[in-house]
Amino acid sequence: GQSLEQPSEVTAVEGAIVQINCTYQTSGFYGLSWYQQHDGGAPTFLSYNALDGLEETGRFSSFLSRSDSYGYLLLQELQMKDSASYFCAVRDYTGGFKTIFGAGTRLFVKA
Amino acid sequence: DGGITQSPKYLFRKEGQNVTLSCEQNLNHDAMYWYRQDPGQGLRLIYYSQIVNDFQKGDIAEGYSVSREKKESFPLTVTSAQKNPTAFYLCASSIEAGTDTQYFGPGTRLTVL
Repeated sequence: GQSLEQPSEVTAVEGAIVQINCTYQTSGFYGLSWYQQHDGGAPTFLSYNALDGLEETGRFSSFLSRSDSYGYLLLQELQMKDSASYFCAVRDYTGGFKTIFGAGTRLFVKA
Repeated sequence: DGGITQSPKYLFRKEGQNVTLSCEQNLNHDAMYWYRQDPGQGLRLIYYSQIVNDFQKGDIAEGYSVSREKKESFPLTVTSAQKNPTAFYLCASSIEAGTDTQYFGPGTRLTVL
């Protein structure tokens, strides 16, 4: 089957660095995406990793290790507006391309 | 402005009634998707369409139906057969099926009374 695991909640202080981990199990793995969703809002795309290594986009970075079926999202210089839910999502090809989302990690940023 | 629109934002229906949720995009994307999100949960795929006049069931298609008669429109009908329809429904699109970036609409919050 296909499954993704990520922590349900993470709390950090403003200005700090936080890492949100994601482990996955899927037979047709193509890549790992990260989305941000504020309460009541729509998810917005943050990053995508198809190959091993680190991708950096401003304050956000995403890492993938295909051999470990593991990735993480790194948020630096945390701001209050970063308080949101973060979803990892696997792009999977099993009988057709699909995106499978994890349950999400709720990030609380404290002053 | 290009984007995805969903209407209405909030919808209330009586149990046993069918209801249709609208999703329109002007991004010229081939692929469109419907997801359901329950409180504190991730997104679960209901249906997706890779091209006009074609659609496939996702993981939780029972009790739902869709059509894709036009490239820009992908309406979702929640039928009376859906046992627990109260949820947040999100429509998304991507340039083509399987691309890494999906663009989401603002969502419709459906409450069945």
